[in-house]
Amino acid sequence: AQSVTQPDIHITVSEGASLELRCNYSYGATPYLFWYVQSPGQGLQLLLKYFSGDTLVQGIKGFEAEFKRSQSSFNLRKPSVHWSDAAEYFCAVAPYNTDKLIFGTGTRLQVFP
Amino acid sequence: KAGVTQTPRYLIKTRGQQVTLSCSPISGHRSVSWYQQTPGQGLQFLFEYFSETQRNKGNFPGRFSGRQFSNSRSEMNVSTLELGDSALYLCASSAAGTGGANTEAFFGQGTRLTVV
Repeated sequence: AQSVTQPDIHITVSEGASLELRCNYSYGATPYLFWYVQSPGQGLQLLLKYFSGDTLVQGIKGFEAEFKRSQSSFNLRKPSVHWSDAAEYFCAVAPYNTDKLIFGTGTRLQVFP
Repeated sequence: KAGVTQTPRYLIKTRGQQVTLSCSPISGHRSVSWYQQTPGQGLQFLFEYFSETQRNKGNFPGRFSGRQFSNSRSEMNVSTLELGDSALYLCASSAAGTGGANTEAFFGQGTRLTVV
């Protein structure tokens, strides 16, 4: 069965520091992978997605993610975090030919000035 | 263009009652999915509709049901409410409904359901 694991429940970084949020997936075929962000009381916003091709994907708000098939990972990175990045981040996988999303448990990011 | 609209935003219901939540997708989008978000279980898939047909269903009891209308608007219904149904219910719409490379789900702000 498909599944997504986000090992870090809560991460705290200082503003200006670099960030890496981890995501591991379990899926038999080539996965379709996504990162979403959710601010308090809001819905989810798509940051970036990976389907095929270049394993380094650029997204909005300065985020990028790297797909590593050998490690079944799709980690999200940002070189310099801003206070407005404080939110919850979800990694998700979509099985082939469906819009159904399977989410990880999320990582809450806290940013200190 | 307008985003995904969910109504109502907040709802308080009593155990045993039923509730209907509404989702209006982005204009032109034909695929609508529903998710339940709770602190304990996280984001869980409820159902997916495309062109008025349910294509996928998550692992929820039969008390949870949904439908999609010809204008792509969707409703979900929960009957015989339980305390554990308290959650944020999110609706997402996408254009093609074919999944994969065409998947870009746009989420509404959700309906916060509290069961007392």
